[in-house]
Amino acid sequence: DGGITQSPKYLFRKEGQNVTLSCEQNLNHDAMYWYRQDPGQGLRLIYYSQIVNDFQKGDIAEGYSVSREKKESFPLTVTSAQKNPTAFYLCASSPGTSGTAEQYFGPGTRLTVT
Amino acid sequence: SQQGEEDPQALSIQEGENATMNCSYKTSINNLQWYRQNSGRGLVHLILIRSNEREKHSGRLRVTLDTSKKSSSLLITASRAADTASYFCVVSGGYNKLIFGAGTRLAVHP
Repeated sequence: DGGITQSPKYLFRKEGQNVTLSCEQNLNHDAMYWYRQDPGQGLRLIYYSQIVNDFQKGDIAEGYSVSREKKESFPLTVTSAQKNPTAFYLCASSPGTSGTAEQYFGPGTRLTVT
Repeated sequence: SQQGEEDPQALSIQEGENATMNCSYKTSINNLQWYRQNSGRGLVHLILIRSNEREKHSGRLRVTLDTSKKSSSLLITASRAADTASYFCVVSGGYNKLIFGAGTRLAVHP
């Protein structure tokens, strides 16, 4: 069963703690993306990776970090430096590396920091 | 900003009616895509229209693109309650990435 999985679906953390969100895909896609969505808003790009061991900052990378050690995995760490981390986080992947092709999304992780 | 802007922000219709959502953008594009998001879920790709195409169909969906007016529309015919979702217009161009608008929230009432 191919697709993108994100875990967990809901995550609760205390302020000041780092937290890592998981994203795995078995679609053999080269490119992977992390987005943040706030209530009633569109998606904003945090980081993206077009190839293993390489990644680029998106529009709102401050306070976040990523790694791409394997093609199928692209974990996102929300650090304590992120001022307002409570949000819905979506991971996506895409065949090819142009960044303009159709993207396939995971179900998302809702992070609440108190 | 290259961001697509959807209009209206919210739309409420009865089952069986058609729903039309519009999108405007500001710069040249390679393609324009429409995605659907059910509440609290991931996004699902609906349709991609290239800059040299004017109209595209997929089932009950019809998308038009007018590059001279920098606008697109998504028509859902014979709507169903299951069509209730947010719909996003997504443009791509020189950034090698997708730019999402804020979306149109569609409510289809039985």
